Amino acid sequence: QKEVEQDPGPLSVPEGAIVSLNCTYSNSAFQYFMWYRQYSRKGPELLMYTYSSGNKEDGRFTAQVDKSSKYISLFIRDSQPSDSATYLCAMSPISGYSTLTFGKGTMLLVSP
Amino acid sequence: DGGITQSPKYLFRKEGQNVTLSCEQNLNHDAMYWYRQDPGQGLRLIYYSQIVNDFQKGDIAEGYSVSREKKESFPLTVTSAQKNPTAFYLCASSMGPSGETQYFGPGTRLLVL
Repeated sequence: QKEVEQDPGPLSVPEGAIVSLNCTYSNSAFQYFMWYRQYSRKGPELLMYTYSSGNKEDGRFTAQVDKSSKYISLFIRDSQPSDSATYLCAMSPISGYSTLTFGKGTMLLVSP
Repeated sequence: DGGITQSPKYLFRKEGQNVTLSCEQNLNHDAMYWYRQDPGQGLRLIYYSQIVNDFQKGDIAEGYSVSREKKESFPLTVTSAQKNPTAFYLCASSMGPSGETQYFGPGTRLLVL
């Protein structure tokens, strides 16, 4: 079983739709959770950062963590064509000199 | 503006040649990282450094080498021992120990002639 699983997509939605992107993980030590957005041929940019369980909202984006199910989600409201990109989840344990573990990314396509 | 710069944007390597990718950051971050990204493979960690003059191998270090002589610089050399170097290379940095939020540079695309 891979440490972090993420559906590669592509996920195609019409403009204005609510998008749900998800990752599951197996390591119960993970406590920090991040979402990155990567446009084609560009470096990933940090979208959301959460610690432990719960929700965090930033504009049209909401990050949700359910540690009991080892499941994290990123919701995008009122999706725009400019949201078309690959979304990567990443996570790490609470402490120690460990590196981030990334999902392989989900490609999102928002059509006008 | 603070950030991470990578150069060149595109790099061509001939057979048997070593090439060096540059990564510079002015964020005053302690830790720096190199990743390789291939289609369908996600990000794979090559090397990382938590402090000047110290670095550790990641998951795919074979055929690569790094140095960390200055806090702001972490160059990656792709050696001739790396038989399949064609990929998108990403440099990142984080403020503290590995595992914290990482910020990425724009990437270097390496192609083999």
